[in-house]
Amino acid sequence: QQPVQSPQAVILREGEDAVINCSSSKALYSVHWYRQKHGEAPVFLMILLKGGEQKGHDKISASFNEKKQQSSLYLTASQLSYSGTYFCGTEHNNAGNMLTFGGGTRLMVKP
Amino acid sequence: DAGVIQSPRHEVTEMGQEVTLRCKPISGHNSLFWYRQTMMRGLELLIYFNNNVPIDDSGMPEDRFSAKMPNASFSTLKIQPSEPRDSAVYFCASSPWTGNYEQYFGPGTRLTVT
Repeated sequence: QQPVQSPQAVILREGEDAVINCSSSKALYSVHWYRQKHGEAPVFLMILLKGGEQKGHDKISASFNEKKQQSSLYLTASQLSYSGTYFCGTEHNNAGNMLTFGGGTRLMVKP
Repeated sequence: DAGVIQSPRHEVTEMGQEVTLRCKPISGHNSLFWYRQTMMRGLELLIYFNNNVPIDDSGMPEDRFSAKMPNASFSTLKIQPSEPRDSAVYFCASSPWTGNYEQYFGPGTRLTVT
């Protein structure tokens, strides 16, 4: 079952913040976040394991609410380079990193 | 490291023809994944190998699709016969170990079936 991402698209001005959500109808073991720029391959951002762990990567961080079966990606003080499509990938048991990806959230950062 | 290598980068073929996509994972990685990406269906996992053995092929759409991994440094995805609805970008990704490690994606093969 594909996780649901929201919003589907967002437009920001440089320096603004954004939150991207990923919800699953099944219990989650881990959530992976990737960013894909147009015409390129997805690039890994971070992994979160069940347990409510929060991680950060520069000004991009994420949380994982195991009980709600949700993860959120936080982009703080967005930069032009943050533009792209963000995908969450969910793993429902410790199944060797097999991921089901959400439909993606298209983020555009304008000057 | 050169990263995951895929060939060809672009393939245009006619309906009914056989198509073979190739992937060389990062040296030392023992998990390999084939994905298909389309606007309609997003990024779908087709098949997953661990130590050259297919672990889960439940995402392979139908019998026209087959994948092999004869050794740790090479994998193929074959479509025979191809159909226009197979048009998509096919990504290969590798990961250093089973468990919670990032997947490194190759540049993809853009397949167009006319």
